[in-house]
Amino acid sequence: EAGVTQFPSHSVIEKGQTVTLRCDPISGHDNLYWYRRVMGKEIKFLLHFVKESKQDESGMPNNRFLAERTGGTYSTLKVQPAELEDSGVYFCASSQLGAPHAQYFGPGTRLTVL
Amino acid sequence: GEDVEQSLFLSVREGDSSVINCTYTDSSSTYLYWYKQEPGAGLQLLTYIFSNMDMKQDQRLTVLLNKKDKHLSLRIADTQTGDSAIYFCAESGGFKTIFGAGTRLFVKA
Repeated sequence: EAGVTQFPSHSVIEKGQTVTLRCDPISGHDNLYWYRRVMGKEIKFLLHFVKESKQDESGMPNNRFLAERTGGTYSTLKVQPAELEDSGVYFCASSQLGAPHAQYFGPGTRLTVL
Repeated sequence: GEDVEQSLFLSVREGDSSVINCTYTDSSSTYLYWYKQEPGAGLQLLTYIFSNMDMKQDQRLTVLLNKKDKHLSLRIADTQTGDSAIYFCAESGGFKTIFGAGTRLFVKA
């Protein structure tokens, strides 16, 4: 069974540009989460989808970040316009509906904003 | 708000035991986790413990939970060079997981 996949693995963009990160969860996992680790600090929760609905987006830093999960399968996280402080590693995780504690993480996307 | 604290670095000799400590603030935590991140890889769930347990053992790994002090530890017996990685402590009361900053474990041959 394929794990959580993320694309791209690395992205280097200039300040002011737009970047879209993609996450493909494990098939059948209705819960999908986005997290971010900035500058070697703690991994911070961004938001949580149940199927296509945003269940909790309390961790989204500001309105430059937009997450979608159309159709309840893969998810995208768009940063527009990107700022220097957005640099970090963005992780996606998924879990089955009845098992929120068993989150499987993807390898992450390393975003560098110059 | 919720917070998880852990030391940033730990260095041990190969064959010794490693103990990584963590404290958390959320008394309503239901699950407490240890994740491992190897270079260039994602987060791997090593083990987790329910908040009503004191201890969990899984091969070389032993997790101890002191709920009164909100202290969690991970002991790795017979540490190997392949155990070199960043270890993240985390807690959750539901869907949102709160992570620490990670402890980088160095294993000296």
